[in-house]
Amino acid sequence: GESVGLHLPTLSVQEGDNSIINCAYSNSASDYFIWYKQESGKGPQFIIDIRSNMDKRQGQRVTVLLNKTVKHLSLQIAATQPGDSAVYFCAENKATDKLIFGTGTRLQVFP
Amino acid sequence: SQTIHQWPATLVQPVGSPLSLECTVEGTSNPNLYWYRQAAGRGLQLLFYSIGIDQISSEVPQNLSASRPQDRQFILSSKKLLLSDSGFYLCAWSPILWGLRINTEAFFGHGTRLTVV
Repeated sequence: GESVGLHLPTLSVQEGDNSIINCAYSNSASDYFIWYKQESGKGPQFIIDIRSNMDKRQGQRVTVLLNKTVKHLSLQIAATQPGDSAVYFCAENKATDKLIFGTGTRLQVFP
Repeated sequence: SQTIHQWPATLVQPVGSPLSLECTVEGTSNPNLYWYRQAAGRGLQLLFYSIGIDQISSEVPQNLSASRPQDRQFILSSKKLLLSDSGFYLCAWSPILWGLRINTEAFFGHGTRLTVV
């Protein structure tokens, strides 16, 4: 079936560096994408979203890039902080009221 | 403002016992509702989603069922739990904007950690 997958299960970065988390999606009909952050034992929290009519969207310290040609999504976190340590999920919505999540990437930030 | 409540937070149940997890949403009407399951260290698997009362779609064959007896109430059930039902269960909702089912983010509850022993 259709799925959203992630390239890197674990990403370790130095505090202050930039982080890039990648995601590949398989359904070319997907038109809405979301990045979530999940801390241990908690539910996922919304970070940023992007619709398929955009290539880039910026938030506070975060940027999401969408490349529809290769069906690739990335989350960039600037000046990564210890509080950014968590599991990050990308999710796609296929306009069918279903939000499908990828496997997730664990981000570890070292001092 | 909208809030989502999910309970209990943790649950330990013996194999073969029934299950009932409840989720309610406040501050909105006619939301989309979801049940996800997350195994330890893994991603989120969509179990059920609902676009209205008694309108529920099942994503994967399993030992679980879902019901939506009221607009903002979503219940996950099982008649007989299996060991493989252990996991972190998350309820979520997403809004309907201007009467249309426009893609928006989903908002999650705090989850229920179920351990079947």
